[in-house]
Amino acid sequence: GQNIDQPTEMTATEGAIVQINCTYQTSGFNGLFWYQQHAGEAPTFLSYNVLDGLEEKGRFSSFLSRSKGYSYLLLKELQMKDSASYLCAVREDSGYSTLTFGKGTMLLVSP
Amino acid sequence: DTAVSQTPKYLVTQMGNDKSIKCEQNLGHDTMYWYKQDSKKFLKIMFSYNNKELIINETVPNRFSPKSPDKAHLNLHINSLELGDSAVYFCASSPRYSGNYNEQFFGPGTRLTVL
Repeated sequence: GQNIDQPTEMTATEGAIVQINCTYQTSGFNGLFWYQQHAGEAPTFLSYNVLDGLEEKGRFSSFLSRSKGYSYLLLKELQMKDSASYLCAVREDSGYSTLTFGKGTMLLVSP
Repeated sequence: DTAVSQTPKYLVTQMGNDKSIKCEQNLGHDTMYWYKQDSKKFLKIMFSYNNKELIINETVPNRFSPKSPDKAHLNLHINSLELGDSAVYFCASSPRYSGNYNEQFFGPGTRLTVL
């Protein structure tokens, strides 16, 4: 089984930087995903990490430490449209592609 | 141009009824999934199909029966609906059954309300 923890809510102001943490405990590991979900919409893919280190993609970056069971999503130059839920998801090293999601972090960006 | 589509978008029904939700993907993916997202926004896998074959069934009540007529379609039939079935159901697809990089593409969701 898997246990994935992330903060329930975070707030930040426009133009700031925010870091959303995710810790996981799994029997195996074959990749960690971050998804963004706006209210009433489908989750959309943001990033994927399978090796330790930082993956940068525009204003968003994701970091992984497999030894610590830890990842974070870093959002820079926050915009109002970044207000959404951010879901951390882990794929176990079981040969399946099924993802186990954390409960999501609701980020509210204020002016 | 829709990648993963679901119908209906909203479904309101009475307890005890039987209903179906349809999902289609035009991405040529081999693997499709059904997820349930409850009122607390927790997204949980229900089923996974690869090339029309059931791969994952995450202890979902047998009132839920997925059917995959071909690899582009994965429908979800629910018998004897209960209040606790009220949720948003998301269909998703991904390129391969297993592999290092396997982004899942989600449909728009079906909001099911059982009265």
